[in-house]
Amino acid sequence: ETGVTQSPTHLIKTRGQQVTLRCSSQSGHNTVSWYQQALGQGPQFIFQYYREEENGRGNFPPRFSGLQFPNYSSELNVNALELDDSALYLCASSSSGTSLSYNEQFFGPGTRLTVL
Amino acid sequence: AQSVTQPDIHITVSEGASLELRCNYSYGATPYLFWYVQSPGQGLQLLLKYFSGDTLVQGIKGFEAEFKRSQSSFNLRKPSVHWSDAAEYFCAVGPYNQGGKLIFGQGTELSVKP
Repeated sequence: ETGVTQSPTHLIKTRGQQVTLRCSSQSGHNTVSWYQQALGQGPQFIFQYYREEENGRGNFPPRFSGLQFPNYSSELNVNALELDDSALYLCASSSSGTSLSYNEQFFGPGTRLTVL
Repeated sequence: AQSVTQPDIHITVSEGASLELRCNYSYGATPYLFWYVQSPGQGLQLLLKYFSGDTLVQGIKGFEAEFKRSQSSFNLRKPSVHWSDAAEYFCAVGPYNQGGKLIFGQGTELSVKP
């Protein structure tokens, strides 16, 4: 069983560009959550996808968008990059987004985005 | 407002000494609490979680945490620290049934002296 994987590992962009980050969820998981972790800070919830639909969003502007595919992998897209978007982007997968029972989420190693 | 506060940004302990990392939370609903550990270049690993019941919960790697509702705290403890415990520790609070949407504290970096 493979864990959560993310690509690329590192990425450098310039202000105003667009970026796409990818996440492959753990086998059997249908829910993916994305977090932004700025340097020296804890992760901040961006949004969650459950069965290809957005299932909750944190306090992030619309230029942060996402997709979830039928195989439950996911993309995070950020348009019009700003310097403050420089961060580690983490994705986490779990087995259900709406069940009444807790389902542990497993985190990937993250993508380090640097915006110059 | 919902928030998690970890008052200690950096803690240094000697190997073999005991450890306590503090966490205070503010959450409107019943809090479901978590401690995660992050090593350099790694994702977050769940150490333990509290949903209900016994307020002292045991986790992996010899860690435990105690939930104190009256103090809105969920402190992490370990009786004897090992050099491999050096890492960043995050306390988080979130909804029970939605596997994500966690609110994290800013983290406590733990250094271990020989």
